[in-house]
Amino acid sequence: ETGVTQSPTHLIKTRGQQVTLRCSSQSGHNTVSWYQQALGQGPQFIFQYYREEENGRGNFPPRFSGLQFPNYSSELNVNALELDDSALYLCASSLGVNQETQYFGPGTRLLVL
Amino acid sequence: AQTVTQSQPEMSVQEAETVTLSCTYDTSENNYYLFWYKQPPSRQMILVIRQEAYKQQNATENRFSVNFQKAAKSFSLKISDSQLGDTAMYFCAFSQGVDGANSKLTFGKGITLSVRP
Repeated sequence: ETGVTQSPTHLIKTRGQQVTLRCSSQSGHNTVSWYQQALGQGPQFIFQYYREEENGRGNFPPRFSGLQFPNYSSELNVNALELDDSALYLCASSLGVNQETQYFGPGTRLLVL
Repeated sequence: AQTVTQSQPEMSVQEAETVTLSCTYDTSENNYYLFWYKQPPSRQMILVIRQEAYKQQNATENRFSVNFQKAAKSFSLKISDSQLGDTAMYFCAFSQGVDGANSKLTFGKGITLSVRP
């Protein structure tokens, strides 16, 4: 059974640029959630995708957007990067939305200069 | 809105001893789920233990057990026979139990646990 994978592991961008982060869910999981974790803080929920549809969103601006593909992998896109977007971005997959346990990937560390 | 509070930023324990990490939460829901996740320096978030609010029995997983006090909205994690590999940041997390709604996790700020040899 393959776990949750994310790419890239590290990324450096400059303010105003756009970035795409990728996540492959665990085998058999149809739900993907994205979280932003600032240094020394707990993760904050960005949004969740279930069967290719957005299924809930946290308090993040519209320049944070996402996609889920038919194979349930997912992308997180961030436009017009700001310095405060520097963080660890975590992807988690689960079997469904009904309180199934979420399993996390290793994360992508984004640095915005 | 649900909140999760972890008031201890850091704790230290001697190898082989027992340590308890505290967590409180606030919610108006009656049905929900609570989790402890571990994040070692490698940064991958690993599930330690899960508790369903409707279950009175405290969850246990090998050396890890919880003390779930629903009325007090308290959810502490006890680690017995601490090992060097337990050194990590530990997060308490909450998920509300509404069928069909998104199962987003609300995390506390975390506690850094150091196990001394």
